[in-house]
Amino acid sequence: SQQGEEDPQALSIQEGENATMNCSYKTSINNLQWYRQNSGRGLVHLILIRSNEREKHSGRLRVTLDTSKKSSSLLITASRAADTASYFCATDGPYGNNRLAFGKGNQVVVIP
Amino acid sequence: EADIYQTPRYLVIGTGKKITLECSQTMGHDKMYWYQQDPGMELHLIHYSYGVNSTEKGDLSSESTVSRIRTEHFPLTLESARPSHTSQYLCASSDLGRGSSYNEQFFGPGTRLTVL
Repeated sequence: SQQGEEDPQALSIQEGENATMNCSYKTSINNLQWYRQNSGRGLVHLILIRSNEREKHSGRLRVTLDTSKKSSSLLITASRAADTASYFCATDGPYGNNRLAFGKGNQVVVIP
Repeated sequence: EADIYQTPRYLVIGTGKKITLECSQTMGHDKMYWYQQDPGMELHLIHYSYGVNSTEKGDLSSESTVSRIRTEHFPLTLESARPSHTSQYLCASSDLGRGSSYNEQFFGPGTRLTVL
């Protein structure tokens, strides 16, 4: 069963604005990952945050992790039209051993 | 772009046909996965493999089968396709370094299957 749940499910913003999406999970984890999926394509890994980390940055991406609340957020700053995609969080908690549980995904549309 | 390839990218086929979806990776990864994803929905793991001659069923029951005879190759086969098999199939691979819990997965572009 999927344990990652993203919120909100769909987001439409203007180019240059920030986009924030959230993910919650149910079990303990070693790490949480965020992936991007362009329409009709495979997923691309964006960033991984370990359970002992609270915040991580990569370019215009900022990920936070709150293990006490079992939640994570992904912030995309200064969004671009090319950021239009679906964003999924994934955790290794339920399984370990390299299996991931993916959430339902957030669809983000950046309007030029 | 990851070095993981899937063919065909698109397949339209009639009910009852046998099909094989190909997946190959050139990264030397031990672990490979097949996911099924309906449009706009989450990924469901249907098969995975931890190495040659190792295959396991995933979380979502599937009538497909897989084989892992070579490290780089992880084909998925449907003996008799049905309209309920219409979906996107994504292949992925990962490599867990020794002493590390890091497990980023690399995905292929997917095969969009339509069964009429």
